[in-house]
Amino acid sequence: QVQLVQSGSELKKPGASVKVSCKASGYTFTSYAMNWVRQAPGQGLEWMGWINTNTGNPTYAQGFTGRFVFSLDTSVSTAYLQISSLKAEDTAVYYCARDHDYGDLTFDYWGQGTLVTVSS
Amino acid sequence: QSALTQPASVSGSPGQSITISCTGTSSDVGGYNYVSWYQQHPGKAPKLMIYDVSNRPSGVSNRFSGSKSGNTASLTISGLQAEDEADYYCSSYTSSSTLVFGTGTKVTVL
Repeated sequence: QVQLVQSGSELKKPGASVKVSCKASGYTFTSYAMNWVRQAPGQGLEWMGWINTNTGNPTYAQGFTGRFVFSLDTSVSTAYLQISSLKAEDTAVYYCARDHDYGDLTFDYWGQGTLVTVSS
Repeated sequence: QSALTQPASVSGSPGQSITISCTGTSSDVGGYNYVSWYQQHPGKAPKLMIYDVSNRPSGVSNRFSGSKSGNTASLTISGLQAEDEADYYCSSYTSSSTLVFGTGTKVTVL
């Protein structure tokens, strides 16, 4: 069965970096694009962008350029989200989500979410 | 890209039907048949309930249905059950080849 398993919660200080992983299983990793979605505490869902799992080419949504980096390690079927120069407002749950069909931006499987807390 | 507009809350009694609206523009909801709906219970990841306006993924109850008219999409839950109490989000593909989510609707079963 398809599973996306994310790394555990992180507590970071402002200015630090964090790398969240999303390990896929139960399907061919390169057959589906991977997306990232942010949800701040008590807030709605924000699409951060997606990464082409064949080429590794990332596409970032407005507001998620510069400090956010999507990457892959296809040898272990894992996608990564790295956030640098963390700010308090980056405190959120971050989800990876697989496309239903390649590039259709419909998410049929989601990771369990990773809570990143930024606090001094 | 502004978030799609949803009512903050909708409520209904068990067995009733409710409808959640999702209003966008001709650059997103009105321009494409790529509207999806997600259900999210507290502390859980979202779950896909409807895609491409009105298609249900395998395993989703047929009590959930979707439609669209102009720039507004709708999710209808019929035969409301206690387990349907959750937050619901719409999403749409946009003319910029991006995705925009709705503001979210809290459904309460009275």
